[in-house]
Amino acid sequence: EAGVTQFPSHSVIEKGQTVTLRCDPISGHDNLYWYRRVMGKEIKFLLHFVKESKQDESGMPNNRFLAERTGGTYSTLKVQPAELEDSGVYFCASSQDLGYTGELFFGEGSRLTVL
Amino acid sequence: AQSVTQPDIHITVSEGASLELRCNYSYGATPYLFWYVQSPGQGLQLLLKYFSGDTLVQGIKGFEAEFKRSQSSFNLRKPSVHWSDAAEYFCAVGLTGGGNKLTFGTGTQLKVEL
Repeated sequence: EAGVTQFPSHSVIEKGQTVTLRCDPISGHDNLYWYRRVMGKEIKFLLHFVKESKQDESGMPNNRFLAERTGGTYSTLKVQPAELEDSGVYFCASSQDLGYTGELFFGEGSRLTVL
Repeated sequence: AQSVTQPDIHITVSEGASLELRCNYSYGATPYLFWYVQSPGQGLQLLLKYFSGDTLVQGIKGFEAEFKRSQSSFNLRKPSVHWSDAAEYFCAVGLTGGGNKLTFGTGTQLKVEL
């Protein structure tokens, strides 16, 4: 069974440009999460989808970030326009249900560098 | 708001030595507690979790952790470290009814000397 896959693994862009990160969750997982780790700091929650609906987007930093999950399958996270402080590693995770199994399956992350 | 503290940013141990990684949390109720590991080039993998019951929990790869309510701690241990354990380790806390929304610590980078 394929795990959570993220693309690209690394993206380097100029300040002011746009970047779109993609996450493919494990097949059949209704719950999809985005987290971010800024260098040297903790991994922080960004948002949570249940199927195609945003369940919780309390961690989204500002309106330059737009997350979508069309059809309840893969998700994209767009940053437009990117700022220097957006640099970090963006993790996607998925889980099968909301019950507290704690079993979040994480992807390898997409490293974003904004110059 | 809940928080997680991992006081050790880097730890170096010799292969075969015992290991203890510290984790303290701040949360008003009994939390759900987790340890994740990220090996180079891989995603975060769940090592173990604590929800309730026995305060000593066993995980994968020979790791265990003990929940101590009085100390608000959930330290990770391994009796004998292998070189393949070199990785970054993250402690995390989940909220009751939080739907798998986790609060992570800053991580501890483990180096294993041969």
